[in-house]
Amino acid sequence: KNEVEQSPQNLTAQEGEFITINCSYSVGISALHWLQQHPGGGIVSLFMLSSGKKKHGRLIATINIQEKHSSLHITASHPRDSAVYICAAFGLEYGNKLVFGAGTILRVKS
Amino acid sequence: DGGITQSPKYLFRKEGQNVTLSCEQNLNHDAMYWYRQDPGQGLRLIYYSQIVNDFQKGDIAEGYSVSREKKESFPLTVTSAQKNPTAFYLCASSLTGTGGRKAFFGQGTRLTVV
Repeated sequence: KNEVEQSPQNLTAQEGEFITINCSYSVGISALHWLQQHPGGGIVSLFMLSSGKKKHGRLIATINIQEKHSSLHITASHPRDSAVYICAAFGLEYGNKLVFGAGTILRVKS
Repeated sequence: DGGITQSPKYLFRKEGQNVTLSCEQNLNHDAMYWYRQDPGQGLRLIYYSQIVNDFQKGDIAEGYSVSREKKESFPLTVTSAQKNPTAFYLCASSLTGTGGRKAFFGQGTRLTVV
C-alpha cells in the first residue's frame, strides 16, 4: 500500500466539466505538492501547500491537515488539461523526503 | 532565475552500457533526490543526498550509483547491473529546514535502452 494514495487512478471528462482529484496521506506532513506531467513530457510544479487553499487560473488546490487530505480541482476543463496529475508529500515522518502518489491520468474530451 | 536542470530530456543507450544523467541546481539547496517512474506506477526514490559528500540509498538503489562532490550537482549513473533501466527519471531538490516548502523539480529524463 502506497503511503500517499491518489484517486481516481483514471479519469475521463467532457470539456467544460469540473474535475476533482484527491490525495490522501498517512502521517503528519509539512508540505504537499501537486505536479503535472504531459504525455512524453516533463514535470511541471503546479502548487505547494502547507495549509488552506491556493488558486492559479482554473486550478484550485486545497488541503485539510486534520483529515490528511488534499484535492486538486480544475474548473471549465479543456482538452489541453489532459495529463497525469501527481501529488507528493514531504514531512519528518517520511524521513524528510518527498513521497509521491501513483498519479491520476486525466483525459478531457472535446 | 534559480532552478533545477536535468539533461538530456531524452536519452537512448545500448543494453549493457553505463549512462549518467545530469542534475544541476543553482538554488543553494542542500538536499537533492533521484526518482524513477515506470508506466502506471508512482515515482520511487533511488538515492538522496542531504549534504555534500554524503548520500543514502532509497527504495530502489540497486543498479544505480550517485555522487555529490558539489552542492550544485547530483549525477545519477545507471549501470549495466540495472536490469530494467528504461524509465522516466526525475531529479528534485529542497532547502533543508523549510519542511519541503522549498522543493523544486527538474523536467525529467526519459531513458530508453535498446
